[in-house]
Amino acid sequence: GAVVSQHPSWVICKSGTSVKIECRSLDFQATTMFWYRQFPKQSLMLMATSNEGSKATYEQGVEKDKFLINHASLTLSTLTVTSAHPEDSSFYICSARDTLGQGPTNEKLFFGSGTQLSVL
Amino acid sequence: AQTVTQSQPEMSVQEAETVTLSCTYDTSESDYYLFWYKQPPSRQMILVIRQEAYKQQNATENRFSVNFQKAAKSFSLKISDSQLGDAAMYFCAYRSDYGGATNKLIFGTGTLLAVQP
Repeated sequence: GAVVSQHPSWVICKSGTSVKIECRSLDFQATTMFWYRQFPKQSLMLMATSNEGSKATYEQGVEKDKFLINHASLTLSTLTVTSAHPEDSSFYICSARDTLGQGPTNEKLFFGSGTQLSVL
Repeated sequence: AQTVTQSQPEMSVQEAETVTLSCTYDTSESDYYLFWYKQPPSRQMILVIRQEAYKQQNATENRFSVNFQKAAKSFSLKISDSQLGDAAMYFCAYRSDYGGATNKLIFGTGTLLAVQP
């Protein structure tokens, strides 16, 4: 079945450093990927839509200079949290859309397992 | 803009019993998809069931079924014969059928389901 690999699963970093999170579609092409943020016991909030070969589309209120998104290939999107601060500590989840729709089910959107970021 | 509302922050059900989770949404569109996702303690998002708005027939997946009321903009999830493994956070979600591949999922606030043995 369609698999989305997200790494790392968890990361601890010092305040002021940058952290990169990778989202890979392992067995399908994904022109579009989505990045979500989830605080404890809350819902998933969309941060940005990542498009292969073009600039990401950010949701209102999300700082694009702080959350850098790169989608350089059909199977990889990265989210870099620059100059991380404790308030950036959160659970980040990516999802990838199967562009060719060749997955085993009618649903073409698949989620990674998430990354827990803790900024000290 | 579309919104999704889950009015039950927490629910509890006895093992083997049936429970219904509520979801309402607001949209002016006629073509869209609705979903229920399960997020267990591992926090992996798992698709439970999906409903196309143009289909009148309610979707079912084994013990999971929905009651889709398009006119009322209601989309409830029924879990039959509840099992301990059903304990999780459940999110209702909406996705437009317009705009192609960049369509985003809009999530409700979630319902935390506890299953009592």
